[in-house]
Amino acid sequence: DAKTTQPPSMDCAEGRAANLPCNHSTISGNEYVYWYRQIHSQGPQYIIHGLKNNETNEMASLIITEDRKSSTLILPHATLRDTAVYYCIVRATSGSARQLTFGSGTQLTVLP
Amino acid sequence: NAGVTQTPKFQVLKTGQSMTLQCAQDMNHEYMSWYRQDPGMGLRLIHYSVGAGITDQGEVPNGYNVSRSTTEDFPLRLLSAAPSQTSVYFCASSYGRGVRADTQYFGPGTRLTVL
Repeated sequence: DAKTTQPPSMDCAEGRAANLPCNHSTISGNEYVYWYRQIHSQGPQYIIHGLKNNETNEMASLIITEDRKSSTLILPHATLRDTAVYYCIVRATSGSARQLTFGSGTQLTVLP
Repeated sequence: NAGVTQTPKFQVLKTGQSMTLQCAQDMNHEYMSWYRQDPGMGLRLIHYSVGAGITDQGEVPNGYNVSRSTTEDFPLRLLSAAPSQTSVYFCASSYGRGVRADTQYFGPGTRLTVL
């Protein structure tokens, strides 16, 4: 699985968009970008994933650059409940479930 | 759907005691796993199962046993608790194959303290 780099922390004002970057310059053609988050004391929560096209679901949008070397997770209207550690994970979907490896992630703090 | 449930939420043990952490899911997922998370650290895989009757070791299996007699349940047994096993334990599940295999659902965790 390709290595990812995320800023250790970010702040965002409540109601504004939160843009969380992830660098994955060594990503391979068959590797997907996954985002999970962990709210304090809770289990990790799947947010979104993508291969090369931008993706959107009810929680967030994922923007992947054309060269796939970086991506941005966008929470369009951040709330206090979005305060969490956000993890960017790059891995090839082998077709079989296996261990997730979480790095250190980005601590997002949404400020009132 | 209740998703992934874990019991108990909190547990305090004395060194040498044994106990079982329960995990259940109602999504008919083939894959289930147990992680532990120590303070300020990432998640480490203890054991996993790709289906009923099949289990395998993860990164840190020593001191733990698992079994998978049904698709729904995946209990984790601590054989003889040690203070080093003080941690938060998370159970996770997902579809075993296909594009959804890497979308894993986690339970709320069990906070275990061993004195």
